[in-house]
Amino acid sequence: DAGVTQSPTHLIKTRGQQVTLRCSPKSGHDTVSWYQQALGQGPQFIFQYYEEEERQRGNFPDRFSGHQFPNYSSELNVNALLLGDSALYLCASSLGVDTGELFFGEGSRLTVL
Amino acid sequence: GQQLNQSPQSMFIQEGEDVSMNCTSSSIFNTWLWYKQEPGEGPVLLIALYKAGELTSNGRLTAQFGITRKDSFLNISASIPSDVGIYFCAAGANSKLTFGKGITLSVRP
Repeated sequence: DAGVTQSPTHLIKTRGQQVTLRCSPKSGHDTVSWYQQALGQGPQFIFQYYEEEERQRGNFPDRFSGHQFPNYSSELNVNALLLGDSALYLCASSLGVDTGELFFGEGSRLTVL
Repeated sequence: GQQLNQSPQSMFIQEGEDVSMNCTSSSIFNTWLWYKQEPGEGPVLLIALYKAGELTSNGRLTAQFGITRKDSFLNISASIPSDVGIYFCAAGANSKLTFGKGITLSVRP
C-alpha cells in the first residue's frame, strides 16, 4: 500500500521563476492538502483540494495555485518565486475533507536563490 | 491569526524518563492532534483527540484534550532513543490545521 509520494525531493530555482510540485495521495484517499514548512517552524496550511476543486485556502498569495486530477493526484504551482518561498513543501492526503488525520509525504525541499 | 504555543523549543531527557509537553492557544478548537517529525520525513500522526476532557493513549504515549478546548498535553513514558524527533501539536476542524512550532526532543542513552 503506497503512502503519499512527492516529487521532486529537492530543487533549486532563482527568483522570478516558476515551480511545479507533484503529489500522489495514499491509496484510497481522495483529499489532498498542501503545507509549507519553513526551517524551524511548523507546517502552514496553503490549500486543500477535493473533487478537483480548491475547498479551503490559507493565508497565501495568488502566486500559489494548485490542481487536482481525476485520479486524486495534485500539483502545487508557485509563480514569481521569492527568496522567502524557500521551504519544505508537504503534501498530505486524507479520506474526506472533514478530518485532521493526515498522512504526509516526505516533502519537496525548494531553495530559491 | 490563530497560533499554537509550544515551549520550550528543545527538551533533553535521559532514556527511561517520562516527558510531558503541552500546547496552548487563545482560540478554541474542536480537534487537537499530535504529530512527530523525524529528519527527512513528513509529520506522522501520533494521537487525535475529539472531545474536551478526552484522554487517549497510544502505547507509551498519552494525550489529553483540555477542558477549555484551548490546550492539550502529550506525555511520553519510559522514553527510548527512537523517541527522538520534533513533536508538533496541531488543531483545527478538518484538514486545515494550525500547527505549533514544535518541540525537539533529545534522548540521552
